[in-house]
Amino acid sequence: SQTIHQWPATLVQPVGSPLSLECTVEGTSNPNLYWYRQAAGRGLQLLFYSIGIDQISSEVPQNLSASRPQDRQFILSSKKLLLSDSGFYLCAWSLTDRDGDEQYFGPGTRLTVT
Amino acid sequence: AQSVTQPDIHITVSEGASLELRCNYSYGATPYLFWYVQSPGQGLQLLLKYFSGDTLVQGIKGFEAEFKRSQSSFNLRKPSVHWSDAAEYFCAVGANDYKLSFGAGTTVTVRA
Repeated sequence: SQTIHQWPATLVQPVGSPLSLECTVEGTSNPNLYWYRQAAGRGLQLLFYSIGIDQISSEVPQNLSASRPQDRQFILSSKKLLLSDSGFYLCAWSLTDRDGDEQYFGPGTRLTVT
Repeated sequence: AQSVTQPDIHITVSEGASLELRCNYSYGATPYLFWYVQSPGQGLQLLLKYFSGDTLVQGIKGFEAEFKRSQSSFNLRKPSVHWSDAAEYFCAVGANDYKLSFGAGTTVTVRA
């Protein structure tokens, strides 16, 4: 069966520091991968998605970036964090052979920028 | 582009009572529709999905949803709510672009 891991689970970082959040998927090949942010009391905002190892699309211009160094690994990064980057970050995956397929979510990373 | 509206931000329901959460979508073709549940501090769990066929869909945890094309709705229901159903619920719509659009969510509080 497929599983998705995210780490760290929680993170407290000062403003201006770098960020690296990692997501890995097990039990499937060539998944679509997604990064979402959920601010307090708000819905999900899609940040990046990737339908292949060299294909990453950005949905919202900001100081975040994403990379996919391996087929089942998705990394969210920032060179300098802002206070507004605080939130709950969720990674998700879906199958690539069907459009509109359901997404499966990881446990999330709670990021607090101080 | 597709979009989802969940009109109710917060619903309070008594344990054992029925629950209905509303979801309206906007999409030109037949959509893919989903309901997810999120407990505090957790990721999202898929409750059920509609792709085609029978418009009444059964999901996990005793939930069901009905697709009504004429009303552009996909409402979620449960006949008898348990205290463990207290959570946030998200409706989502998918199109042919590998992405899902989520509603803003409905928080469900269950009172004893």
